[in-house]
Amino acid sequence: KNQVEQSPQSLIILEGKNCTLQCNYTVSPFSNLRWYKQDTGRGPVSLTIMTFSENTKSNGRYTATLDADTKQSSLHITASQLSDSASYICVVSAAGSARQLTFGSGTQLTVLP
Amino acid sequence: DTEVTQTPKHLVMGMTNKKSLKCEQHMGHRAMYWYKQKAKKPPELMFVYSYEKLSINESVPSRFSPECPNSSLLNLHLHALQPEDSALYLCASSQDSWDRGRPHTDTQYFGPGTRLTVL
Repeated sequence: KNQVEQSPQSLIILEGKNCTLQCNYTVSPFSNLRWYKQDTGRGPVSLTIMTFSENTKSNGRYTATLDADTKQSSLHITASQLSDSASYICVVSAAGSARQLTFGSGTQLTVLP
Repeated sequence: DTEVTQTPKHLVMGMTNKKSLKCEQHMGHRAMYWYKQKAKKPPELMFVYSYEKLSINESVPSRFSPECPNSSLLNLHLHALQPEDSALYLCASSQDSWDRGRPHTDTQYFGPGTRLTVL
């Protein structure tokens, strides 16, 4: 069964600090992995997308890494801001199941002033 | 325009009411999705339309009835809902492109959601 697990479940950091969120997956055959940011009560917004051959991708202060051998990904947030407070969801697609995504449960990040 | 819009933002309905949720996109996407999301849980896929035809129905109860009038619009008709149906309902769209005979995994763009409360 395809699964995506994220850690930690929740994280509290001070403004300006860096943090790293983790994602492990067992989706097979792997197609791509996305990180989404979801503000409370809003729809998810795509941050990065990585395919099998990519092992790092940046979007501003967000940098995602992918190790397809160990089936792990991380999302690193640099110089956090109060607006980074949100749920960060790791989403994996299986090849041949383009429209059906496997969602992780998300990491709830709180950035305090 | 890279936006998916949903109306209404909030909806409160009784168990005997009939209501509809609406979703619209003007990105030329040919796949549209309905998801249900409970608090602190990931979205759960309900329906997928591809080229205005229902392609996936994830065993959703018949009190939820999707409709795709055209390639830009997606509706979800609600009737005789239960309190446990209260959730955030998300619409998404994607390009639904194909690569050598297989569907390409395109990014899904999500709308802001409709917060539904069933009394």
